Order: sequence, then C-alpha cells, then structure tokens
Amino acid sequence: DQQVKQNSPSLSVQEGRISILNCDYTNSMFDYFLWYKKYPAEGPTFLISISSIKDKNEDGRFTVFLNKSAKHLSLHIVPSQPGDSAVYFCAASLYNFNKFYFGSGTKLNVKP
Amino acid sequence: GAGVSQSPSNKVTEKGKDVELRCDPISGHTALYWYRQSLGQGLEFLIYFQGNSAPDKSGLPSDRFSAERTGGSVSTLTIQRTQQEDSAVYLCASSPRPGAGSPLHFGNGTRLTVT
Repeated sequence: DQQVKQNSPSLSVQEGRISILNCDYTNSMFDYFLWYKKYPAEGPTFLISISSIKDKNEDGRFTVFLNKSAKHLSLHIVPSQPGDSAVYFCAASLYNFNKFYFGSGTKLNVKP
Repeated sequence: GAGVSQSPSNKVTEKGKDVELRCDPISGHTALYWYRQSLGQGLEFLIYFQGNSAPDKSGLPSDRFSAERTGGSVSTLTIQRTQQEDSAVYLCASSPRPGAGSPLHFGNGTRLTVT
C-alpha cells in the first residue's frame, strides 16, 4: 500500500520553461515533506522540504507547494536547466517519527 | 567531508547464496537507514538504527534479511539464501539526528543482481 504516489513517471520540458512535478499522499497525518533529486548511479540528494504548517517554501529556482486539503504537493523549477535532468522523488513523514515514505519518482528531462 | 560510503557498488550472486552489503555513514551521524529500490518502484524502507536504541526492523521483507550496526557506525545488511526478487539497488542513508526534520544523506547504493 503506497502512501506516497508520483503518478507521472516522466516529464519533458524545454530549457528555460517551468517544470512542475506532482506528488500525492494518502496519510493525512503526514506533516513533513521532502523532495530529493537522483542522478544515475548516485544516491538521492536532498533538495527542499516543507512542513505542514506552511503551504509554500522557496529556495532559489525551486519552490514546493503543499495543499493539505488535497493531500498534494508539487515542486516547481523555474527556469529549468539541462542540469536539472534527473529523477525526482517526493517523500513524506511524521515529524517526530523516523520513517520516510517515498514515491516512485518522476524522471525529468530538460531539453536544451 | 566524506559522504555515505557503500560497498560493493555492484554485486552479482547466484540464487541461494548469502550476501553482505556494507555502509559507512557520515561521521557523527547517529541515525542510519537502509532502503531498497526495485526496478520501477519507489524507495522501500527496510530498517532504521538510532544510537544504542533497538533498531526499527519493521520494513525487512522476510527473515532472510538482517542488519547490524557495530559501534554506532558501520552497518552491514545481510541477505541469506538470496532470491531473484531480492534484485534491487540497496541504499544506505544517515542523518545527524533522528526525526523527519533531519533530511537523509544517501550513499550511491549497491546494485544487487540475483541470477
């Protein structure tokens, strides 16, 4: 039973445009959400996070939006760059617990 | 500083053999996790260690899987009598403190192939 879902396995975007990666979750108790980026043959690296007390968190070109009522979060990358091409995983957790639940990932391809 | 180190990076084994996967976490990180990613799947939680506390083994898929962490540092994941469905990338991660507020630092993983 997957509690975090990324329904788009892949996304292709032109360089300079916006990339929007989506993530849905089923457990309304989750209160902390993260995005990781993964290049081939490397482990995932932390990108950005958001707690449930916020609905938006921004870090440079990366912004994460959280819609708690819809149990949905999204990652916006503006402007997209070819170096952003990677697999992006969203993850969710309860803040005081140690288990992170990951989605299956979305492969982003940014075309030059 | 050095990141999380995993060895071997690739392992091919025959069905029925035992394998050991090693993880060296970042120095000073008290929390250590094992995840695995099967083809086309998300990261599946396996086990979590925090300091000297009893590990959270709730994600281990069968009793063929075990893990230990010696001296609060290096961890070894052992899979006995490997099966083809064990083929996956096994990822180790550490964090400086427990709790979801501390993001994980992942190693590059061990790609296990069971033939």
